[in-house]
Amino acid sequence: NAGVTQTPKFRILKIGQSMTLQCTQDMNHNYMYWYRQDPGMGLKLIYYSVGAGITDKGEVPNGYNVSRSTTEDFPLRLELAAPSQTSVYFCASSYPQDGTAGNSPLHFGNGTRLTVT
Amino acid sequence: DQQVKQNSPSLSVQEGRISILNCDYTNSMFDYFLWYKKYPAEGPTFLISISSIKDKNEDGRFTVFLNKSAKHLSLHIVPSQPGDSAVYFCAASGTSGSRLTFGEGTQLTVNP
Repeated sequence: NAGVTQTPKFRILKIGQSMTLQCTQDMNHNYMYWYRQDPGMGLKLIYYSVGAGITDKGEVPNGYNVSRSTTEDFPLRLELAAPSQTSVYFCASSYPQDGTAGNSPLHFGNGTRLTVT
Repeated sequence: DQQVKQNSPSLSVQEGRISILNCDYTNSMFDYFLWYKKYPAEGPTFLISISSIKDKNEDGRFTVFLNKSAKHLSLHIVPSQPGDSAVYFCAASGTSGSRLTFGEGTQLTVNP
């Protein structure tokens, strides 16, 4: 069981470039999340999805877009990369039985380290 | 507005002793609290959780205590082992919430 797989592991972008961070899970989880972690900071929620076709903004959505066309995949798109988007990005998934995130632990991927210069 | 706060960026303890990691929250609507552990170059992994109807939950060497009136929770690790050295995040969710709010993390170092 692969769990949550993120690609690429590392990427360096120039300012203004675009890219897509890929995330796929094989656990048939309905909830998926994108977080970013900056040094000395906690995990900040960028976007999340409670099922295919449904996405919603988190705490820090500006500069990002997502789509959820299948249960398995939840790609994160950066359209115009900026130095402020230098961070480590984590994708996660869960299967809350009753829609409550807290009672179903998140399963995280190993992250994508992105540098924008 | 930091709704979940871990005030200690780092903690160092001797092997075999108790590690106590603390977390405070401000949102009284939070009903579930979780602890995650993170090693370098890996994603966080779930450690232990507690719901607001309890004040203690134990799993082996790990115990989480919840004080709702003080809006405070703590993670106790006894005895601490060098393999416990990692960053620990506390997180919280409301009853009807589909998202977790994380604290900043505490780097635990257990010295042999």
